[in-house]
Amino acid sequence: LAKTTQPISMDSYEGQEVNITCSHNNIATNDYITWYQQFPSQGPRFIIQGYKTKVTNEVASLFIPADRKSSTLSLPRVSLSDTAVYYCLVGPGGSYIPTFGRGTSLIVHP
Amino acid sequence: EAGVAQSPRYKIIEKRQSVAFWCNPISGHATLYWYQQILGQGPKLLIQFQNNGVVDDSQLPKDRFSAERLKGVDSTLKIQPAKLEDSAVYLCASSPPGPPYEQYFGPGTRLTVT
Repeated sequence: LAKTTQPISMDSYEGQEVNITCSHNNIATNDYITWYQQFPSQGPRFIIQGYKTKVTNEVASLFIPADRKSSTLSLPRVSLSDTAVYYCLVGPGGSYIPTFGRGTSLIVHP
Repeated sequence: EAGVAQSPRYKIIEKRQSVAFWCNPISGHATLYWYQQILGQGPKLLIQFQNNGVVDDSQLPKDRFSAERLKGVDSTLKIQPAKLEDSAVYLCASSPPGPPYEQYFGPGTRLTVT
């Protein structure tokens, strides 16, 4: 399974764009990249998933370079409610053993 | 659509006692996961079911933890006997059979072992 590396914590301010990068140097050909968000006292929530290039939904964008050895989750114009822990997971679609790291704790300041 | 249900939400027990957690996944979700999340850490997978078969339980402490998934739907996770280090939030998640295979998590059960 591909191991991921993320910053432990990040700080931002309301209205700014936040980019969280995840490194996954040994990603396999059939691996997808998935991001989850977790608020205190709640279970993680799926944000976005991608395989290559760029994926965008109503919540975030995911940028994946051609070599796929890293990915960047982009949160546009964050608000206080985006304060949470963000996890990057890498694995094949379908049945695989999901591994959550420590994640990135994002704190958004007024 | 109803989400993943878990009960109880909170449980306090003394060490060496036993405890059981229940999970009802989203209807139609074939895959069910149990995670342990210790404060300040990411969720750690304990066991993964595909329908009522076990896909992986390599991180389940089998001397004290057990889990089953009845008829491929509901699941229970049991700890017997509990240790102080079992204090954590126990999360259940399920995922649909098709892509992107995202997991839907329940609210979790916060276990405190004293």
